[in-house]
Amino acid sequence: QQQVKQSPQSLIVQKGGISIINCAYENTAFDYFPWYQQFPGKGPALLIAIRPDVSEKKEGRFTISFNKSAKQFSLHIMDSQPGDSATYFCAASGYNYGQNFVFGPGTRLSVLP
Amino acid sequence: SQTIHQWPATLVQPVGSPLSLECTVEGTSNPNLYWYRQAAGRGLQLLFYSVGIGQISSEVPQNLSASRPQDRQFILSSKKLLLSDSGFYLCAWSAGTTSNQPQHFGDGTRLSIL
Repeated sequence: QQQVKQSPQSLIVQKGGISIINCAYENTAFDYFPWYQQFPGKGPALLIAIRPDVSEKKEGRFTISFNKSAKQFSLHIMDSQPGDSATYFCAASGYNYGQNFVFGPGTRLSVLP
Repeated sequence: SQTIHQWPATLVQPVGSPLSLECTVEGTSNPNLYWYRQAAGRGLQLLFYSVGIGQISSEVPQNLSASRPQDRQFILSSKKLLLSDSGFYLCAWSAGTTSNQPQHFGDGTRLSIL
């Protein structure tokens, strides 16, 4: 029940296209869903996060869509750029987990110029 | 603003040698602190977390240990390294006041065991 599933494992998108990464969870106690971006040799950096009281959150070219009934959430990157090429991790946490996150396995995104 | 520092950035150690990785946080008090390991091309595995000085929780049984001698200092140690200890070690912090706070990561230590 602690697992967070993430797909696809890897994704190749042309410059200017839309990148979509999906995550699913089982534990209904989760109530905080961040996305992290990691470049090679660096630590993950918080990109955007959502709580289940809203169905969508947008920050610049990055949007999280959240479907509470389906227990799914996704990251959309609009107008994808080569600089967006990185590994993306979704995560989930909840009150019963304190500050502990459960991370998805990651998606390696490559944006072709 | 808050910053997190990890060192060293890279480390090559022989099997059976000891290990000490250090992480410090600046600009905040009473943070929650975390150690993660990331295998090549893989996700993040939580190793230890701490909610206060001297308070350490272990998530997986292993050859490693953690200590928090000061509020903003977190140390990952081993008495004898194994080949399987190779990986990318990440320290992270989050605000300790309420739940559902983001975690902020350092730039990691690449550990290679020979």
